[in-house]
Amino acid sequence: ETGVTQTPRHLVMGMTNKKSLKCEQHLGHNAMYWYKQSAKKPLELMFVYNFKEQTENNSVPSRFSPECPNSSHLFLHLHTLQPEDSALYLCASTRTLLGNTEAFFGQGTRLTVV
Amino acid sequence: DAKTTQPNSMESNEEEPVHLPCNHSTISGTDYIHWYRQLPSQGPEYVIHGLTSNVNNRMASLAIAEDRKSSTLILHRATLRDAAVYYCILRDGENSGYALNFGKGTSLLVTP
Repeated sequence: ETGVTQTPRHLVMGMTNKKSLKCEQHLGHNAMYWYKQSAKKPLELMFVYNFKEQTENNSVPSRFSPECPNSSHLFLHLHTLQPEDSALYLCASTRTLLGNTEAFFGQGTRLTVV
Repeated sequence: DAKTTQPNSMESNEEEPVHLPCNHSTISGTDYIHWYRQLPSQGPEYVIHGLTSNVNNRMASLAIAEDRKSSTLILHRATLRDAAVYYCILRDGENSGYALNFGKGTSLLVTP
């Protein structure tokens, strides 16, 4: 138990569906991150939020839409995905964006697009 | 982005020490050295981090070279549960917006 909770753990969706991934942390952290991990590949950073403001969008397609209503919650809204978007989606949080703080990761959502 | 270089894979026997190397020759003076590991089908887990001095915690030890261009993660007695991918990452301690960028890491195999 890392203190970062992601739901759902598994999700199967069709290419025309709309779904959302949720991440929450009650560690008092101010920065939250979304990562994508495809099979046999390194983690790819998607988005970074700091104090609810997006600080980084790593050229992610618009079919992925993040939302950060407060420092404890982060969502990833999904619509009209492609089969190649099937991956493990991971959420992380850090106390600040500075490098002397460790990151805590959730267990991830295993997404399958059919 | 300061880069790190790690071996793709390493193998160890159970209950023996493991030394996982990482090269970061372009490290800047404010970069912290972080190590994370990822067990199969799980999210990455923080292991340890340091700036200049060697660090110890309940999970591992981090040995940092004097010129900081390399570091070594030391698992004192490997167990089967330590089989994972280990990532060495640099994070800037002074400039915000420096997210965790993962490479391919080192896949550690522990054999009984």
